[in-house]
Amino acid sequence: AQSVSQHNHHVILSEAASLELGCNYSYGGTVNLFWYVQYPGQHLQLLLKYFSGDPLVKGIKGFEAEFIKSKFSFNLRKPSVQWSDTAEYFCAVNGGDMRFGAGTRLTVKP
Amino acid sequence: SQTIHQWPATLVQPVGSPLSLECTVEGTSNPNLYWYRQAAGRGLQLLFYSVGIGQISSEVPQNLSASRPQDRQFILSSKKLLLSDSGFYLCAWEAGAYNEQFFGPGTRLTVL
Repeated sequence: AQSVSQHNHHVILSEAASLELGCNYSYGGTVNLFWYVQYPGQHLQLLLKYFSGDPLVKGIKGFEAEFIKSKFSFNLRKPSVQWSDTAEYFCAVNGGDMRFGAGTRLTVKP
Repeated sequence: SQTIHQWPATLVQPVGSPLSLECTVEGTSNPNLYWYRQAAGRGLQLLFYSVGIGQISSEVPQNLSASRPQDRQFILSSKKLLLSDSGFYLCAWEAGAYNEQFFGPGTRLTVL
């Protein structure tokens, strides 16, 4: 069965720091990859997605993610975080069924 | 555009009481629908999914059940709640050929 691992449970950064959240999955076939974000008190919403083509995908609010097939990874990045990026981030992989990682809580200090 | 509703937003129930959480989707037809439970530090656990009216698949055996009486309605139920049923329940629908999922606002259930 496919599984999704997010390496960091809680990340604390200062504003303007760079962000990279790790996501690895175990599945041998073709997958669709997603990052979702849940801001405090808000819906879980889609941040970005990868289906095919350029492995570097750009999402909303300056986020991007790179799919590295050989590493089964889909890490999320942002060059300079803002206080408003404080949220919980979930990686998800769909290779027939959607599976979510445990989530990474990001706290950005002003 | 499509929207997804869940109610109630919060619920406090005693152990042993029944449960009914409702999810409805607007703006789409014949969606795949999902129930998840979100626990702190454990991500989203898929509970049930449905590909059509009356069609329910269960991912995890437990104290809960689901039903889909109408195309855009998905209900999560229990006959007798347990303390361990406390959590945040999310409904989602799936769009397009790439299995993107869109989530409702969730229901916070506390069983006392």
